[in-house]
Amino acid sequence: QSVLTQPPSASGTPGQRVTISCSGSRSNIGSNTVNWYQQLPGTAPKLLIYSNNQWPSGVPDRVSGSKSGTSASLAISGLQSEDEADYYCAAWDDSLNGWVFGGGTKLTVL
Amino acid sequence: QVQLVQSGAEVKKPGASVKVSCKASGYTFTSYHMHWVRQAPGQGLQWMGRINPSGGSTVYAQKFQGRVTMTRDTSTSTVYMELSSLRSEDTAVYYCARLSDYYDSSGYYGWLDPWGQGTLVTVSS
Repeated sequence: QSVLTQPPSASGTPGQRVTISCSGSRSNIGSNTVNWYQQLPGTAPKLLIYSNNQWPSGVPDRVSGSKSGTSASLAISGLQSEDEADYYCAAWDDSLNGWVFGGGTKLTVL
Repeated sequence: QVQLVQSGAEVKKPGASVKVSCKASGYTFTSYHMHWVRQAPGQGLQWMGRINPSGGSTVYAQKFQGRVTMTRDTSTSTVYMELSSLRSEDTAVYYCARLSDYYDSSGYYGWLDPWGQGTLVTVSS
């Protein structure tokens, strides 16, 4: 049972825009910034968005993040086949004094 | 470039211990906390704890208290995670990840990047 709640799956066709939600509580998303990770099959998680809406070097700006209250979302526009992966949200939790993650969303490009 | 390279896969029997290493390069080792996260097969990510390579202080997730020990060797820029009393549920890929963070007037900003390539630990009789 993950502390942050994500939908288990999402899908879209090439070129479409998809969004993935992440719901938490006051002690995590409500108090701290949200990061998003992309995990391709058999590889380590890769930072996709940090501090709610910032791009690490090399991440295209068709990927974006936002946060409001105790929820956050990741949006990917101009969907491409290489976007097919698992996506995880993460935030520091002040009550648990540690990182908490969502259960992951499997994105399928139809 | 910043790189974290972990030790190879391990197979252990229930009750045994495992020690996974994570060698850092491309930055000042003592300037960034290192965190450990694990992922059971087909499951999500679970935070285990962190070590401050500068002084060696540690913080462990409650779930692993008493079973996990994180250490570091500053001479080789390597951190270690040892998990004892292994059981089948500990079968997972274990990752190290470097923390970047800062504070400003709006609060705390932190993120884990990069991550090591992962070490598969299999616990089986």
